[in-house]
Amino acid sequence: QLQLQESGPGLVKPSETLSLTCTVSGGSISSSSYYWGWIRQPPGKGLEWIGSIYYSGSTYYNPSLKSRVTISVDTSKNQFSLKLSSVTAADTAVYYCASPLSDYGDYWGQGTLVTVSS
Amino acid sequence: EIVMTQSPATLSVSPGERATLSCRASQSVSSNLAWYQQKPGQAPRLLIYGASTRATGIPARFSGSGSGTEFTLTISSLQSEDFAVYYCQQYNNWPQYTFGQGTKLEIK
Repeated sequence: QLQLQESGPGLVKPSETLSLTCTVSGGSISSSSYYWGWIRQPPGKGLEWIGSIYYSGSTYYNPSLKSRVTISVDTSKNQFSLKLSSVTAADTAVYYCASPLSDYGDYWGQGTLVTVSS
Repeated sequence: EIVMTQSPATLSVSPGERATLSCRASQSVSSNLAWYQQKPGQAPRLLIYGASTRATGIPARFSGSGSGTEFTLTISSLQSEDFAVYYCQQYNNWPQYTFGQGTKLEIK
């Protein structure tokens, strides 16, 4: 049973870069069965897909965020990461890492709140 | 980008009654449609994928239907634990996907 856990700063200043890491346990991030993704949810609002990555490094980004997003994978640490640059208050949200709709199930982290404020 | 529109935004239903939630896609997504349930402070939980297949452990009172651009989630007899927010998600161009804005199911 896969488990995912987000980690990173809970407070980021405007114009800086938000950085989060997702640690995967209970399975290999190098498995061909999973795509790894980041989804966010502003307080009181709906879910927004940010991007996805395959263990090979292939990435897919939400067009509305593509210019500011980088997702990477570190197979040696069984982790994948999110970087979102030039953040504003509109980027304040709960950020989830997930492996949704995989061959073996649907897996999400618990989510981590990131607040953008000076 | 495929836009998913859910209706209604809020649905008030009494326990034991049937709830019907709708989701419309701006273009055909075939049967590449999932439904999620989210409760406050929790990550979304997968209910339905492939438009009509229940995920592991999901009670039979949850059912999904539709294809193309029109989809429905039906909860046949509402239990207290079913009051939550429900999202549809299209994944026709996997691993890219989009969510609807959600329907809040509240107790009448």
